[in-house]
Amino acid sequence: GAVVSQHPSRVICKSGTSVKIECRSLDFQATTMFWYRQFPKQSLMLMATSNEGSKATYEQGVEKDKFLINHASLTLSTLTVTSAHPEDSSFYICSASTPGTFYNEQFFGPGTRLTVL
Amino acid sequence: RKEVEQDPGPFNVPEGATVAFNCTYSNSASQSFFWYRQDCRKEPKLLMSVYSSGNEDGRFTAQLNRASQYISLLIRDSKLSDSATYLCVVNGGGSNYKLTFGKGTLLTVNP
Repeated sequence: GAVVSQHPSRVICKSGTSVKIECRSLDFQATTMFWYRQFPKQSLMLMATSNEGSKATYEQGVEKDKFLINHASLTLSTLTVTSAHPEDSSFYICSASTPGTFYNEQFFGPGTRLTVL
Repeated sequence: RKEVEQDPGPFNVPEGATVAFNCTYSNSASQSFFWYRQDCRKEPKLLMSVYSSGNEDGRFTAQLNRASQYISLLIRDSKLSDSATYLCVVNGGGSNYKLTFGKGTLLTVNP
């Protein structure tokens, strides 16, 4: 159990376009989903925390108007990178949290590799 | 001080070797601690949680020292398949379920 999927797994786009990434919890309901970004040889950096039915909470330095997050249901959260630029090229990973577990373990999606030309 | 700091690595060891990773964290309110492994270009996967009393899972042993804010991971009899980046992960403490990741330590096990 506790499977999280992401789509697409890889996307290459031109500078200035918008890219939408979907994160789905396949076999459980996730009240909270997290979006991370990882640059080469760097650690995962939390971008935002997404709670179902409410606005996302963004980490310091992450532009909420550039990285639009929608968490419309207990199984789906989307991240839209608006007007993407080459510096947005990165590995974007979502995770979903199972409510009720002591450690609130996060289950990670397989990631989306974004390349902006 | 970085929130979560790990050995910079990389570690190159022969098969069968014992290898230890160290990690320190800055937030004394942190409640939960984990080791994840991340294979190249893949998502991180939970290896084990770390408990105050220390815990073992097969060849893997994790230790936590809250007073020193120090976490360790010991891998015994290392296998080729253990080659990966090992991430030390700490939660934010209290009701803050945010995870903070260390930069990771790359391990390569050689035949």
